[in-house]
Amino acid sequence: EPEVTQTPSHQVTQMGQEVILRCVPISNHLYFYWYRQILGQKVEFLVSFYNNEISEKSEIFDDQFSVERPDGSNFTLKIRSTKLEDSAMYFCASSEVGKGHTDTQYFGPGTRLTVL
Amino acid sequence: RKEVEQDPGPFNVPEGATVAFNCTYSNSASQSFFWYRQDCRKEPKLLMSVYSSGNEDGRFTAQLNRASQYISLLIRDSKLSDSATYLCVVSGAGSYQLTFGKGTKLSVIP
Repeated sequence: EPEVTQTPSHQVTQMGQEVILRCVPISNHLYFYWYRQILGQKVEFLVSFYNNEISEKSEIFDDQFSVERPDGSNFTLKIRSTKLEDSAMYFCASSEVGKGHTDTQYFGPGTRLTVL
Repeated sequence: RKEVEQDPGPFNVPEGATVAFNCTYSNSASQSFFWYRQDCRKEPKLLMSVYSSGNEDGRFTAQLNRASQYISLLIRDSKLSDSATYLCVVSGAGSYQLTFGKGTKLSVIP
Protein backbone atom coordinates (compact mmCIF):
# COMPACT_ATOMS: atom_id res chain seq x y z
CA GLU A 1 0.00 0.00 0.00
CA PRO A 2 1.46 3.40 -0.95
CA GLU A 3 2.39 5.61 1.94
CA VAL A 4 3.77 9.01 2.77
CA THR A 5 7.36 8.91 3.99
CA GLN A 6 9.25 11.51 6.00
CA THR A 7 12.89 12.08 6.90
CA PRO A 8 14.48 12.39 9.33
CA SER A 9 12.40 10.71 12.00
CA HIS A 10 14.02 12.90 14.65
CA GLN A 11 15.86 16.19 14.23
CA VAL A 12 17.66 17.98 17.03
CA THR A 13 18.79 21.53 16.42
CA GLN A 14 19.99 24.61 18.23
CA MET A 15 17.75 27.65 18.54
CA GLY A 16 18.27 30.01 15.61
CA GLN A 17 19.38 27.30 13.22
CA GLU A 18 17.62 26.47 9.97
CA VAL A 19 16.03 23.05 9.51
CA ILE A 20 14.55 21.33 6.49
CA LEU A 21 12.05 18.56 6.96
CA ARG A 22 11.50 16.27 4.01
CA CYS A 23 8.50 14.34 2.79
CA VAL A 24 7.72 12.08 -0.13
CA PRO A 25 3.96 12.15 -0.73
CA ILE A 26 2.01 9.31 -2.30
CA SER A 27 2.95 9.31 -5.98
CA ASN A 28 -0.41 10.06 -7.64
CA HIS A 29 -1.45 12.66 -5.08
CA LEU A 30 -1.64 16.29 -6.08
CA TYR A 31 -2.24 18.07 -2.76
CA PHE A 32 0.32 18.27 0.00
CA TYR A 33 0.10 19.49 3.56
CA TRP A 34 2.12 20.11 6.68
CA TYR A 35 0.68 19.82 10.16
CA ARG A 36 2.33 19.99 13.54
CA GLN A 37 1.53 18.56 16.94
CA ILE A 38 3.13 19.97 20.04
CA LEU A 39 3.46 17.29 22.72
CA GLY A 40 0.14 16.80 24.47
CA GLN A 41 -1.69 19.16 22.13
CA LYS A 42 -3.93 18.72 19.12
CA VAL A 43 -2.78 18.38 15.52
CA GLU A 44 -2.66 21.83 13.89
CA PHE A 45 -2.74 22.73 10.21
CA LEU A 46 0.20 24.71 8.86
CA VAL A 47 -0.05 24.87 5.08
CA SER A 48 -1.43 23.26 1.95
CA PHE A 49 0.31 23.18 -1.42
CA TYR A 50 -0.99 22.51 -4.90
CA ASN A 51 0.37 23.09 -8.37
CA ASN A 52 3.63 24.46 -7.01
CA GLU A 53 2.11 27.12 -4.85
CA ILE A 54 0.65 27.58 -1.40
CA SER A 55 -3.13 27.24 -1.53
CA GLU A 56 -3.86 27.90 2.14
CA LYS A 57 -1.89 28.63 5.29
CA SER A 58 -2.64 29.11 8.96
CA GLU A 59 -1.58 31.87 11.34
CA ILE A 60 1.17 29.60 12.60
CA PHE A 61 2.80 29.56 9.16
CA ASP A 62 4.61 32.88 9.41
CA ASP A 63 7.63 34.24 7.53
CA GLN A 64 9.92 31.78 9.32
CA PHE A 65 8.32 28.92 7.42
CA SER A 66 8.48 28.04 3.75
CA VAL A 67 7.57 25.04 1.63
CA GLU A 68 8.94 23.77 -1.62
CA ARG A 69 8.56 20.94 -4.07
CA PRO A 70 12.13 20.85 -5.38
CA ASP A 71 11.55 17.91 -7.71
CA GLY A 72 8.81 15.53 -8.77
CA SER A 73 8.77 13.54 -5.58
CA ASN A 74 9.92 15.56 -2.55
CA PHE A 75 8.01 18.15 -0.55
CA THR A 76 9.93 20.11 2.06
CA LEU A 77 9.21 22.36 5.03
CA LYS A 78 11.93 24.84 5.98
CA ILE A 79 12.07 26.70 9.25
CA ARG A 80 14.53 29.54 8.85
CA SER A 81 15.45 30.37 12.42
CA THR A 82 14.09 27.84 14.87
CA LYS A 83 12.63 28.82 18.21
CA LEU A 84 12.12 26.72 21.30
CA GLU A 85 8.39 26.73 20.67
CA ASP A 86 8.90 25.11 17.26
CA SER A 87 9.63 21.84 19.06
CA ALA A 88 6.87 19.51 17.91
CA MET A 89 6.05 16.55 15.72
CA TYR A 90 5.69 17.67 12.11
CA PHE A 91 3.43 15.58 9.91
CA CYS A 92 3.34 15.69 6.15
CA ALA A 93 0.13 14.59 4.43
CA SER A 94 -1.09 14.20 0.90
CA SER A 95 -4.40 13.73 -0.85
CA GLU A 96 -5.53 12.89 -4.33
CA VAL A 97 -8.00 15.76 -4.45
CA GLY A 98 -8.09 18.89 -2.32
CA LYS A 99 -11.64 19.74 -1.43
CA GLY A 100 -14.95 18.06 -1.01
CA HIS A 101 -16.06 14.89 0.53
CA THR A 102 -13.37 12.61 -0.85
CA ASP A 103 -10.38 14.64 0.27
CA THR A 104 -8.95 11.96 2.51
CA GLN A 105 -5.55 13.04 3.70
CA TYR A 106 -2.93 10.40 4.38
CA PHE A 107 -0.30 11.21 6.94
CA GLY A 108 3.37 10.35 7.09
CA PRO A 109 4.99 9.00 10.26
CA GLY A 110 6.22 12.45 11.27
CA THR A 111 9.51 14.16 12.11
CA ARG A 112 10.06 14.95 15.76
CA LEU A 113 11.82 18.32 15.92
CA THR A 114 13.59 19.22 19.14
CA VAL A 115 14.94 22.76 19.44
CA LEU A 116 17.50 23.26 22.22
CA ARG B 1 -13.36 29.21 21.12
CA LYS B 2 -12.79 25.50 20.55
CA GLU B 3 -13.53 24.59 16.95
CA VAL B 4 -13.75 20.86 17.51
CA GLU B 5 -14.41 19.72 21.02
CA GLN B 6 -14.12 16.21 22.42
CA ASP B 7 -14.27 14.60 25.82
CA PRO B 8 -10.58 13.99 26.55
CA GLY B 9 -11.21 10.82 28.55
CA PRO B 10 -9.48 8.60 29.30
CA PHE B 11 -12.06 5.92 28.74
CA ASN B 12 -10.95 2.68 30.41
CA VAL B 13 -13.16 -0.18 29.28
CA PRO B 14 -12.94 -3.99 29.49
CA GLU B 15 -12.55 -6.11 26.39
CA GLY B 16 -15.87 -6.71 24.70
CA ALA B 17 -17.44 -3.50 25.95
CA THR B 18 -19.24 -0.96 23.81
CA VAL B 19 -17.90 2.56 24.00
CA ALA B 20 -19.17 5.80 22.48
CA PHE B 21 -17.29 9.00 21.75
CA ASN B 22 -18.86 12.36 21.08
CA CYS B 23 -17.65 15.45 19.32
CA THR B 24 -19.08 18.89 18.60
CA TYR B 25 -17.88 21.38 16.03
CA SER B 26 -18.42 25.11 15.92
CA ASN B 27 -18.24 25.91 12.20
CA SER B 28 -21.65 25.32 10.64
CA ALA B 29 -20.04 25.54 7.19
CA SER B 30 -18.04 22.36 7.83
CA GLN B 31 -18.56 19.92 5.02
CA SER B 32 -16.45 16.84 5.62
CA PHE B 33 -16.17 14.83 8.79
CA PHE B 34 -13.82 12.08 9.84
CA TRP B 35 -12.65 9.95 12.71
CA TYR B 36 -8.92 9.32 12.81
CA ARG B 37 -7.09 7.22 15.36
CA GLN B 38 -3.67 8.05 16.69
CA ASP B 39 -1.44 5.63 18.53
CA CYS B 40 1.08 7.04 20.97
CA ARG B 41 3.66 9.18 19.16
CA LYS B 42 2.43 8.01 15.76
CA GLU B 43 0.69 9.69 12.88
CA PRO B 44 -3.09 10.08 12.66
CA LYS B 45 -4.67 7.31 10.57
CA LEU B 46 -8.08 7.56 8.98
CA LEU B 47 -10.57 5.32 10.71
CA MET B 48 -13.65 6.34 8.77
CA SER B 49 -15.40 9.20 7.07
CA VAL B 50 -18.72 10.29 8.56
CA TYR B 51 -21.79 10.77 6.41
CA SER B 52 -25.11 12.41 7.23
CA SER B 53 -26.90 9.11 6.78
CA GLY B 54 -24.59 7.43 9.27
CA ASN B 55 -22.20 4.71 8.33
CA GLU B 56 -20.85 1.48 9.70
CA ASP B 57 -17.58 -0.34 9.18
CA GLY B 58 -17.48 -3.62 11.04
CA ARG B 59 -17.53 -2.86 14.76
CA PHE B 60 -17.43 0.89 14.18
CA THR B 61 -20.45 3.13 13.61
CA ALA B 62 -20.30 6.85 12.98
CA GLN B 63 -23.17 9.31 13.07
CA LEU B 64 -23.44 12.95 12.08
CA ASN B 65 -26.09 15.42 13.18
CA ARG B 66 -25.61 18.60 11.19
CA ALA B 67 -28.40 20.48 12.98
CA SER B 68 -26.72 19.91 16.34
CA GLN B 69 -23.20 20.03 14.89
CA TYR B 70 -22.50 16.76 16.61
CA ILE B 71 -20.54 13.69 15.55
CA SER B 72 -20.35 10.35 17.30
CA LEU B 73 -18.36 7.14 17.07
CA LEU B 74 -19.51 3.85 18.54
CA ILE B 75 -17.14 0.94 18.99
CA ARG B 76 -18.72 -2.43 19.71
CA ASP B 77 -16.96 -5.49 21.13
CA SER B 78 -13.81 -3.54 22.04
CA LYS B 79 -10.46 -5.22 21.38
CA LEU B 80 -7.14 -4.56 23.08
CA SER B 81 -5.92 -3.27 19.72
CA ASP B 82 -8.55 -0.51 19.82
CA SER B 83 -6.54 1.24 22.53
CA ALA B 84 -5.56 4.59 21.00
CA THR B 85 -6.59 8.23 20.90
CA TYR B 86 -9.60 8.90 18.68
CA LEU B 87 -9.54 12.21 16.84
CA CYS B 88 -12.63 13.97 15.57
CA VAL B 89 -11.74 15.90 12.42
CA VAL B 90 -13.68 18.33 10.24
CA SER B 91 -12.97 20.37 7.15
CA GLY B 92 -14.92 23.31 5.80
CA ALA B 93 -16.31 24.26 2.45
CA GLY B 94 -13.63 25.59 0.17
CA SER B 95 -10.89 24.81 2.67
CA TYR B 96 -8.06 22.37 2.44
CA GLN B 97 -7.26 22.24 6.09
CA LEU B 98 -8.37 19.58 8.50
CA THR B 99 -9.34 20.85 11.93
CA PHE B 100 -8.65 18.35 14.67
CA GLY B 101 -10.12 17.87 18.08
CA LYS B 102 -7.71 17.14 20.88
CA GLY B 103 -8.79 13.53 20.91
CA THR B 104 -10.34 11.04 23.30
CA LYS B 105 -8.04 8.44 24.76
CA LEU B 106 -9.32 4.87 24.93
CA SER B 107 -7.70 2.10 26.93
CA VAL B 108 -9.18 -1.37 26.51
CA ILE B 109 -8.27 -3.53 29.49
CA PRO B 110 -7.99 -7.35 29.44
